[in-house]
Amino acid sequence: SAVISQKPSRDICQRGTSLTIQCQVDSQVTMMFWYRQQPGQSLTLIATANQGSEATYESGFVIDKFPISRPNLTFSTLTVSNMSPEDSSIYLCSVEDLLLNEQFFGPGTRLTVL
Amino acid sequence: GEDVEQSLFLSVREGDSSVINCTYTDSSSTYLYWYKQEPGAGLQLLTYIFSNMDMKQDQRLTVLLNKKDKHLSLRIADTQTGDSAIYFCAEAHGQNFVFGPGTRLSVLP
Repeated sequence: SAVISQKPSRDICQRGTSLTIQCQVDSQVTMMFWYRQQPGQSLTLIATANQGSEATYESGFVIDKFPISRPNLTFSTLTVSNMSPEDSSIYLCSVEDLLLNEQFFGPGTRLTVL
Repeated sequence: GEDVEQSLFLSVREGDSSVINCTYTDSSSTYLYWYKQEPGAGLQLLTYIFSNMDMKQDQRLTVLLNKKDKHLSLRIADTQTGDSAIYFCAEAHGQNFVFGPGTRLSVLP
């Protein structure tokens, strides 16, 4: 199984600022995913990040608001830009193990925007 | 679009069986998953079932799939206090995961 860490684990930010969340995996993976879990709601996929190509965003999410980097096969970042209170959420990084057909999730980053 | 529904809350007594139900709409789903989220933790994959199976058992967990009715259930035998968590049903078709809203399981002593 893959072990995933995220930084920061939580943060409280002011409206209008940006936060970059880091995701580190202990093994090389092709596909990394970024999810958001807003209070009282289920997970929503933000984008899929493949190494060496631009991230693929789901409907309702755009690169200007959630720029993603994927510099290598073990690391990715998600930036939440120009934050508003509606961005308060848990942001989760996830990877897929194609051999096991399993998906593994990081511990999440709890973001509160004031 | 695809939709996954679950009841939001379930309470059971310790030692009883818990049954968490899920319905989905995408008939082309290849895999269906159950995830557990404990307070303050990330999601943990509990089990999954391939869409051409109708049952899968793994220790205390039993997954039943009724593909005709698009109904998935997770049965936890001998429920313990450590099973208190939110349980998410998810369907997958290729790389597209769709999660349900989660069922909060409370285990009463």
